[in-house]
Amino acid sequence: DQQVKQNSPSLSVQEGRISILNCDYTNSMFDYFLWYKKYPAEGPTFLISISSIKDKNEDGRFTVFLNKSAKHLSLHIVPSQPGDSAVYFCAASGGQGAQKLVFGQGTRLTINP
Amino acid sequence: DAMVIQNPRYQVTQFGKPVTLSCSQTLNHNVMYWYQQKSSQAPKLLFHYYDKDFNNEADTPDNFQSRRPNTSFCFLDIRSPGLGDAAMYLCATSSGRASEQYFGPGTRLTVT
Repeated sequence: DQQVKQNSPSLSVQEGRISILNCDYTNSMFDYFLWYKKYPAEGPTFLISISSIKDKNEDGRFTVFLNKSAKHLSLHIVPSQPGDSAVYFCAASGGQGAQKLVFGQGTRLTINP
Repeated sequence: DAMVIQNPRYQVTQFGKPVTLSCSQTLNHNVMYWYQQKSSQAPKLLFHYYDKDFNNEADTPDNFQSRRPNTSFCFLDIRSPGLGDAAMYLCATSSGRASEQYFGPGTRLTVT
């Protein structure tokens, strides 16, 4: 029972272009969503989050969009840089398990020069 | 700098030989978590502490135990490691509900 899904295991984008990573969830009790970035042999690093009362949150080159009716969120990175190459995990929390995060499977982003 | 520290970064143990992984934090967060991550998979929550309250996930094997002697430290004990327990073990902290979790660098466990 995968409550958070990232359907694209990998994504390749040209440097300078926009990277769009997608995430779907099934649990309507989720009300807080996060994106993490992970380099090999390191722990995940928090990138950006969004509460369900918003539909967009922006931080520099990173923007997260939330579509509650579709139970879908996306992370936009623009412009993409080589240092953005990493695995990106989306995560969600809410309801009875509000202290816990449920993670997606991750998307490996590769930025090509 | 406030941070989450995990020791050791790499641990090799023998099949069936107990092993303890440690985590410390300087963030003064109430909640500490232990995750298991196998390659190309999502981090899997094993258990978490809210202050001294221990919360075990239903599918966490009995082989995995945890201790939190104080706010700053949390330990993961694997009583009888099997080959299937080889993984990256991640510790994380948060201040509570609807807040981001901060992860340590992880301990890569190898079972021989």
